[in-house]
Amino acid sequence: ETGVTQTPRHLVMGMTNKKSLKCEQHLGHNAMYWYKQSAKKPLELMFVYSLEERVENNSVPSRFSPECPNSSHLFLHLHTLQPEDSALYLCASSSGGGGSPLHFGNGTRLTVT
Amino acid sequence: KNEVEQSPQNLTAQEGEFITINCSYSVGISALHWLQQHPGGGIVSLFMLSSGKKKHGRLIATINIQEKHSSLHITASHPRDSAVYICAVPNTGTASKLTFGTGTRLQVTL
Repeated sequence: ETGVTQTPRHLVMGMTNKKSLKCEQHLGHNAMYWYKQSAKKPLELMFVYSLEERVENNSVPSRFSPECPNSSHLFLHLHTLQPEDSALYLCASSSGGGGSPLHFGNGTRLTVT
Repeated sequence: KNEVEQSPQNLTAQEGEFITINCSYSVGISALHWLQQHPGGGIVSLFMLSSGKKKHGRLIATINIQEKHSSLHITASHPRDSAVYICAVPNTGTASKLTFGTGTRLQVTL
């Protein structure tokens, strides 16, 4: 148990579907992150939320839409995805700043058909 | 942007061997992270260090700030150590943003 829970663990969706990834943390952290991990590539930061405000958007296409309703929950809404969006999507949380360790969820393995 | 290089990319060892994984970065940093990713995908933070050495069980992490280099050592390796080991450093000017290495895939066999 990492303290950060992601659902679903696996997701297969068509290019016209709309789906959402969910992340929940009960560690009392005030920063939450979405990362994308494609095959044989390093982790790429997508979004950072600090105190429920988006502080980073790393040039992510608009077909990915994050939502942070409170400091414990983070969503990634997906629509009109492309096959190249197939990847492992990881959520993480921290108590903020580069000096704090990240706590990761187990990820959602997304396949776009 | 900080550049991160890890070596080796792949490593196979027999149980009991001493293992070293290296990480070099291009720009001075406040702290370096070592992470472990198991085959299922989940990532665990192993160490965050800014100087010297840290030890946790059979894992030892060292960092040389002047050389911009860090090593992760595993003593008495075991098959359950098989995973991808990733180092990460803060991006210059953005403390909340990390640059990740491509990882070292370790396979420990019996």
